[in-house]
Amino acid sequence: QVQLVQSGAEVKKPGASVKVSCKASGYTFISYAMHWVRQAPGQRLEWMGWINAGDGETKYSQKFQGRVTITRDTSANTAHMELSSLRSEDTAVYYCARGEPYTALIFDYWGQGTLVTVSS
Amino acid sequence: DIQMTQSPSSLSASVGDRVTITCRASQGIRNYLAWYQQKPGKIPKLLIYAASTLQSGVPSRFSGSGSGADFTLTISSLQPEDVATYYCQEYHSAPLTFGGGTKVEIK
Repeated sequence: QVQLVQSGAEVKKPGASVKVSCKASGYTFISYAMHWVRQAPGQRLEWMGWINAGDGETKYSQKFQGRVTITRDTSANTAHMELSSLRSEDTAVYYCARGEPYTALIFDYWGQGTLVTVSS
Repeated sequence: DIQMTQSPSSLSASVGDRVTITCRASQGIRNYLAWYQQKPGKIPKLLIYAASTLQSGVPSRFSGSGSGADFTLTISSLQPEDVATYYCQEYHSAPLTFGGGTKVEIK
């Protein structure tokens, strides 16, 4: 069965960077897109960007352009999301989510979420 | 960016009631709309895509309709396990955006 297992919770200071991992299993990793979505406390879900796990092409939300980098390691079936220049407003649960096969833009499986807390 | 507005933001209904949630896009998005259910403390789950296509395994009491800018999610007979927050999401153009959510509770 499809599983997306994310790395554990992180506590970071303002200005630091965080890297969250998402290990996929149960499907052919390179045949699907992987998205990153975050949810700040009490806020709506917010799309950050995605990667084509096959060719590594990425697309980012303009809001995070310059601060977010999404990569993948095909040998480990793992996607990574790095967010830099962290500020308190980046405190959120970060999810990886697989793009379904037809449009790649609908999220059919989600990771369990990784809480990132930014605090001095 | 396309803005997605959901209403109501919360509702309380009795078991067996018909529940309707609406989602409006700031511009036409054809039928490029999905609905997700997020139960308390859980991860989101895909319910419906292409505005009206039920994801495999989702109970038939859930249905979606609409096209263009106005969409609806209906639960035909509310069950206790449907307590959750429901989000719409457009996938017409990047950045992909979500509605603010509708919290459904049992009266």
